Amino acid sequence: ETGVTQTPRHLVMGMTNKKSLKCEQHLGHNAMYWYKQSAKKPLELMFVYNFKEQTENNSVPSRFSPECPNSSHLFLHLHTLQPEDSALYLCASSQGTGKDGTEAFFGQGTRLTVV
Amino acid sequence: GQNIDQPTEMTATEGAIVQINCTYQTSGFNGLFWYQQHAGEAPTFLSYNVLDGLEEKGRFSSFLSRSKGYSYLLLKELQMKDSASYLCAVRDRSNDYKLSFGAGTTVTVRA
Repeated sequence: ETGVTQTPRHLVMGMTNKKSLKCEQHLGHNAMYWYKQSAKKPLELMFVYNFKEQTENNSVPSRFSPECPNSSHLFLHLHTLQPEDSALYLCASSQGTGKDGTEAFFGQGTRLTVV
Repeated sequence: GQNIDQPTEMTATEGAIVQINCTYQTSGFNGLFWYQQHAGEAPTFLSYNVLDGLEEKGRFSSFLSRSKGYSYLLLKELQMKDSASYLCAVRDRSNDYKLSFGAGTTVTVRA
């Protein structure tokens, strides 16, 4: 248990569906992240929120829409995805960003399959 | 990018030692992290190096040479539970201090 909880753990969705991934951190951190992990590839940073404000959108397609209502919760809204979007989506949190940021704590991820 | 390279796979015997190398290229190095990720689980933080030298933490040690753009993670007295993927990540000033990850090294420990 890392203090970062993601739901659901597994998700299968069609290309026309709309779904949301949820992340909650119980560590009192002020920064939250979404990463994409594909097989045999490095983790790809998608979005960064610092004190609820989005500070990074790493050229992510608009079919992925993040939402951060407060420092403890992060959502990733999905719509009209493509099969190549199938991957493990990891949420993480840290205390601060930048050079003084602590190490990131990761959730267990949502295994997404787009059919 | 930060061009982080690490071997794809390594196999070792229980009780042995394994060294996982990581090389990187940055223009504003600001720290290197190692994470462990068991299949189907969250990556968990193992170590952090920002200065040259060896950091020891129980059976695990991490080494950094900034001039060579090189780090290694040393796993001693290997146990079956050490079978996992090990991720090297670098923080870079020129990348707004964001973490860039290597693709990970899958270590298999055999009896």
